[in-house]
Amino acid sequence: SQQGEEDPQALSIQEGENATMNCSYKTSINNLQWYRQNSGRGLVHLILIRSNEREKHSGRLRVTLDTSKKSSSLLITASRAADTASYFCATEIQAGTALIFGKGTTLSVSS
Amino acid sequence: DADVTQTPRNRITKTGKRIMLECSQTKGHDRMYWYRQDPGLGLRLIYYSFDVKDINKGEISDGYSVSRQAQAKFSLSLESAIPNQTALYFCATSDRQGGEKLFFGSGTQLSVL
Repeated sequence: SQQGEEDPQALSIQEGENATMNCSYKTSINNLQWYRQNSGRGLVHLILIRSNEREKHSGRLRVTLDTSKKSSSLLITASRAADTASYFCATEIQAGTALIFGKGTTLSVSS
Repeated sequence: DADVTQTPRNRITKTGKRIMLECSQTKGHDRMYWYRQDPGLGLRLIYYSFDVKDINKGEISDGYSVSRQAQAKFSLSLESAIPNQTALYFCATSDRQGGEKLFFGSGTQLSVL
């Protein structure tokens, strides 16, 4: 079974709205990362948050991590049509181990 | 030019055929990975290599093999392809100094008939 599970599986919003995606995982982690995929293309790294961090920002992205609940959230503020993509969380269980990905959330932003 | 290059981009083959997917990188990273993506299942790890002499199985290695020919090259082979190996395959790289941030190739869409 997979380490990470994103919720919701699909999300549809209007331009200008905020989009929130959640990721839950099963075991303790060293870090958690979020990736974006456009239309079956290669994934692109968005942000990394370490197990001793609680929140990180990058532009319109805000990521939180709650290790007690084994969960993370990705917030995209003021969404644009160009944000339409699939978003995946990935966890590094121990330092130096390979990332394990979740199933992803598909975000559709309509103008 | 892409930093992580996968060839071919698309491949159609028949059941029982041997097929090789190739990955090369110009990023100078020591770590390379093969993932498989199926609709609704996300990405699953097939094999990974942390240096030229290191090969590790991932969660779904059965039916696959890999070769790390050089630091820059990591190939994935299907010895006898079967239809449920139809999927989108991604190669990725990372640098041990980079906190395991992955850089992905554009993918190979493989169809096994």
